[in-house]
Amino acid sequence: DARVTQTPRHKVTEMGQEVTMRCQPILGHNTVFWYRQTMMQGLELLAYFRNRAPLDDSGMPKDRFSAEMPDATLATLKIQPSEPRDSAVYFCASGLGDRGLGLAGTRGETQYFGPGTRLLVL
Amino acid sequence: DAKTTQPPSMDCAEGRAANLPCNHSTISGNEYVYWYRQIHSQGPQYIIHGLKNNETNEMASLIITEDRKSSTLILPHATLRDTAVYYCIVRVGYSGGGADGLTFGKGTHLIIQP
Repeated sequence: DARVTQTPRHKVTEMGQEVTMRCQPILGHNTVFWYRQTMMQGLELLAYFRNRAPLDDSGMPKDRFSAEMPDATLATLKIQPSEPRDSAVYFCASGLGDRGLGLAGTRGETQYFGPGTRLLVL
Repeated sequence: DAKTTQPPSMDCAEGRAANLPCNHSTISGNEYVYWYRQIHSQGPQYIIHGLKNNETNEMASLIITEDRKSSTLILPHATLRDTAVYYCIVRVGYSGGGADGLTFGKGTHLIIQP
């Protein structure tokens, strides 16, 4: 049963430290998404990649966050320096377009989420 | 993407069918209806999606009205493990390489009562 994996599952760090979160997408999926979930804001899209190229990172604070895909099996999300307001659960998801076309020649896409990294910045 | 409206919470007795409504009156022709759920402390899980026809899979059924302005997710025999937040998402399909990220609302907190 193919799954998205994320490491670490939990991270406690002090303000100002660098945090790196890793994601292994499902083999063969060409799209990787990073989401953040907090009680106040709910689930928010931070950034996503297609075929390893960044497509949209408008949801990400540019001054401290960076996302990369060194290869097709690894996506990383870094925060430097970290701040208490970054405390959240960070989810990675991967996707592959569904087969077939619907109305107007379009198709749907299913996303598969990892278990998340729970980050606490003190 | 079209905005959706869901009740904030619902209860359902174990073993009964759970019917979760979603309004999406501004949906456009190339937008799909997706349902995801999030069980406590887990990542969101895909349930089902559809464009205009009713859909059924091993998890649930999706009923989309003829005008596509609303839909209902049906869990035919709810169990305690179905207690979760259920998100209805409407988003544009894609014709090229792939779709964009998902926009999650607040969803419906479904509580299955023993």
